[in-house]
Amino acid sequence: GDSVTQMEGPVTLSEEAFLTINCTYTATGYPSLFWYVQYPGEGLQLLLKATKADDKGSNKGFEATYRKETTSFHLEKGSVQVSDSAVYFCALSAYNNNDMRFGAGTRLTVKP
Amino acid sequence: DAMVIQNPRYQVTQFGKPVTLSCSQTLNHNVMYWYQQKSSQAPKLLFHYYDKDFNNEADTPDNFQSRRPNTSFCFLDIRSPGLGDAAMYLCATLAGGPGYNEQFFGPGTRLTVL
Repeated sequence: GDSVTQMEGPVTLSEEAFLTINCTYTATGYPSLFWYVQYPGEGLQLLLKATKADDKGSNKGFEATYRKETTSFHLEKGSVQVSDSAVYFCALSAYNNNDMRFGAGTRLTVKP
Repeated sequence: DAMVIQNPRYQVTQFGKPVTLSCSQTLNHNVMYWYQQKSSQAPKLLFHYYDKDFNNEADTPDNFQSRRPNTSFCFLDIRSPGLGDAAMYLCATLAGGPGYNEQFFGPGTRLTVL
């Protein structure tokens, strides 16, 4: 079945450091790919998404590119801030399917 | 603003005492989901409704039930909460249909079982 594997955490960075959180997927067909962010005590918020190969999703300085050849959707940010501290979930959903598959989540802590 | 609302945000119940969690949406989405999330792990799908059609996950305990009286509202009933049911419960919605597969999440209800 469809699945998502993402980088184990926790990740601790200093402010203004470069961030990469790796995400790879297994799916039949052409899934849509998502990054959700969860701040402490909150629900999941959509951070960015991509619906087809080579699409780049971007939001709040975060980017991820849908790479079909490597079945990856890695999350990157050039300069993290303390306010980016949260748990990040990679997820996929098949085109004609209502279910979403989540990765295990990666906790990011950014220190001043 | 269109949104997904969960009430209450925090719920405390006693071991074995039934509890109901509420979710409402103003998005007019066809699909509504209930997830259980423990300790910032990945959300675990309990069940979902596509319109009035109920879909239960195979490993969802019988202790968990759901009702969807209309498009806007969905309830999660825990008939006899155990200590292991303490968790964050997330409601999500989906427009439904091919290509409309982004889920919109509510803020969650944190359930404590004493």
